[in-house]
Amino acid sequence: EAGVAQSPRYKIIEKRQSVAFWCNPISGHATLYWYQQILGQGPKLLIQFQNNGVVDDSQLPKDRFSAERLKGVDSTLKIQPAKLEDSAVYLCASSLGQKVLETQYFGPGTRLLVL
Amino acid sequence: EDQVTQSPEALRLQEGESSSLNCSYTVSGLRGLFWYRQDPGKGPEFLFTLYSAGEEKEKERLKATLTKKESFLHITAPKPEDSATYLCAVQGRGGSNYKLTFGKGTLLTVNP
Repeated sequence: EAGVAQSPRYKIIEKRQSVAFWCNPISGHATLYWYQQILGQGPKLLIQFQNNGVVDDSQLPKDRFSAERLKGVDSTLKIQPAKLEDSAVYLCASSLGQKVLETQYFGPGTRLLVL
Repeated sequence: EDQVTQSPEALRLQEGESSSLNCSYTVSGLRGLFWYRQDPGKGPEFLFTLYSAGEEKEKERLKATLTKKESFLHITAPKPEDSATYLCAVQGRGGSNYKLTFGKGTLLTVNP
């Protein structure tokens, strides 16, 4: 079974530029999550989708971050404009979406460096 | 707000030297506690889910236990390939039903 796919794996941009990350979840998984992991920290949830609807985006900095999952499958996370403090690993995870308590499976992440 | 504290931050062991990692948590009603392993440059890899106090789960050299306030990840006779960051996360009953709150992790290094 294929895992969660993410691209690109690495990205280096200047501050105030924009950047987008892509995620394709495990086939059949209805719930998709985006996490931010700053060096030395645990992952922090940014946004959670159930199919193509947003379940929780309370920790998403909405003035600069946006995310969509238009067809209920793959998803895009965008940052515009980027700040130095956005340097982090952006992890995508997915779960079946059938029960409240489910295992979340993570992709390899996109490593973003903002200069 | 759910909180997770992991200790120690880093642990260095000799191959075969058993030890334990700690995860203390504060949560408004625990649905589940998760352990993940994260290798450098990779995403977290699922290890265990624990649901209630007294529960134990094992996988190879790893054994996870749960009490009402903390969880332990016991590593028996570790090998160099067990070197990784071990992350603990909780899912509580308050707020978002699915949200995981992670600790900062314990960086384990096993020397041959």
